[in-house]
Amino acid sequence: AAGVIQSPRHLIKEKRETATLKCYPIPRHDTVYWYQQGPGQDPQFLISFYEKMQSDKGSIPDRFSAQQFSDYHSELNMSSLELGDSALYFCASRSGLAVPNEQFFGPGTRLTVL
Amino acid sequence: LAKTTQPISMDSYEGQEVNITCSHNNIATNDYITWYQQFPSQGPRFIIQGYKTKVTNEVASLFIPADRKSSTLSLPRVSLSDTAVYYCLVGGRSSGNTPLVFGKGTRLSVIA
Repeated sequence: AAGVIQSPRHLIKEKRETATLKCYPIPRHDTVYWYQQGPGQDPQFLISFYEKMQSDKGSIPDRFSAQQFSDYHSELNMSSLELGDSALYFCASRSGLAVPNEQFFGPGTRLTVL
Repeated sequence: LAKTTQPISMDSYEGQEVNITCSHNNIATNDYITWYQQFPSQGPRFIIQGYKTKVTNEVASLFIPADRKSSTLSLPRVSLSDTAVYYCLVGGRSSGNTPLVFGKGTRLSVIA
């Protein structure tokens, strides 16, 4: 079965650079979520989109922005990167037909900021 | 959103049944109880969800007492591959689209 695809899987950036993470949800899933998981930390919600509109916003820094495109893929744009942005970034998707709170997570993008 | 409390870590031998209890004293009427499993460097994976009483699937069972202030995830006959972090989450509007709020999960170590 198709899963959530994230690219790139690994990314190394310098401080103050920008990064773009991409997420391709499972086909026919209408909601996409972004989570950040720092080293030794628990996943933290950043932002979500439902039918290409932002639906919820969590602890996403102002330096980050995201959008969902007409083909339902989503991109997380990160600017002025800081050392503390080094983390695993997960994208998850959900179908409106699924049981409540069932989200399907991608493999993650590991961002390292040097 | 209801706050959850669960053990930081648990150890178990292979073949044993493992029960992880989660406390959620201020659970709201429309909140669901959901458990996720996460292996190192992988995304969390949905295990089971319930609202009240008992739910069982091919992976686990979820026991919820009548007052819903706690829940217990039961993993039968664990194997080494069950070593992971287990998260208890409480919440969810009826649409089920709410973001997941992860608290401190339980790190389960299964030893041979």
